[in-house]
Amino acid sequence: GAGVSQSPRYKVAKRGQDVALRCDPISGHVSLFWYQQALGQGPEFLTYFQNEAQLDKSGLPSDRFFAERPEGSVSTLKIQRTQQEDSAVYLCASSLGGGRATNEQFFGPGTRLTVL
Amino acid sequence: QQQVKQSPQSLIVQKGGISIINCAYENTAFDYFPWYQQFPGKGPALLIAIRPDVSEKKEGRFTISFNKSAKQFSLHIMDSQPGDSATYFCAANDSGTYKYIFGTGTRLKVLA
Repeated sequence: GAGVSQSPRYKVAKRGQDVALRCDPISGHVSLFWYQQALGQGPEFLTYFQNEAQLDKSGLPSDRFFAERPEGSVSTLKIQRTQQEDSAVYLCASSLGGGRATNEQFFGPGTRLTVL
Repeated sequence: QQQVKQSPQSLIVQKGGISIINCAYENTAFDYFPWYQQFPGKGPALLIAIRPDVSEKKEGRFTISFNKSAKQFSLHIMDSQPGDSATYFCAANDSGTYKYIFGTGTRLKVLA
């Protein structure tokens, strides 16, 4: 595809359920980022992959959050035992190079997660 | 020290007017400052970016002004149009890392 795609676009989960959010980056992009965007706020960094290697997961809010990119392309963000405070838009971004700031990050449309 | 403070939270401008959004930072290691535009239901899209070795960068109707000593930068949208109505985020990064620190956003509405 021409851009970063994410699925599902919307997800409603009951508190305690596990969810999996998918990101398809732009083909050939080395770097992949996950951000969390709370309502009315700017995106906040969660984790960063360079190819299949997760180089930084310092932004993951708890050990209930887990991300993977096993083949260096598609990535999945998994949230276990969802809580209401997990409700947010989860954005995926990719960039061509190895994470340098000069490489523009291209964002997907996000997945809006609502935990009831 | 990692925060980027953005103001105003919301802005209403008449068509043809100038929209001005301001950001301030503390971390002197920041050396890359992009502005992103986000429409409802869409992801942020890069609008324009600047490095602190210049004080101003212009691309079409969009201009970034940068004041290194004050640790402030701003986005100016000239001849604002209804199609510019969106949320704008400033961000900051130091080129030794890859994390963007985003401001809280400014919701711009341009009246026709």
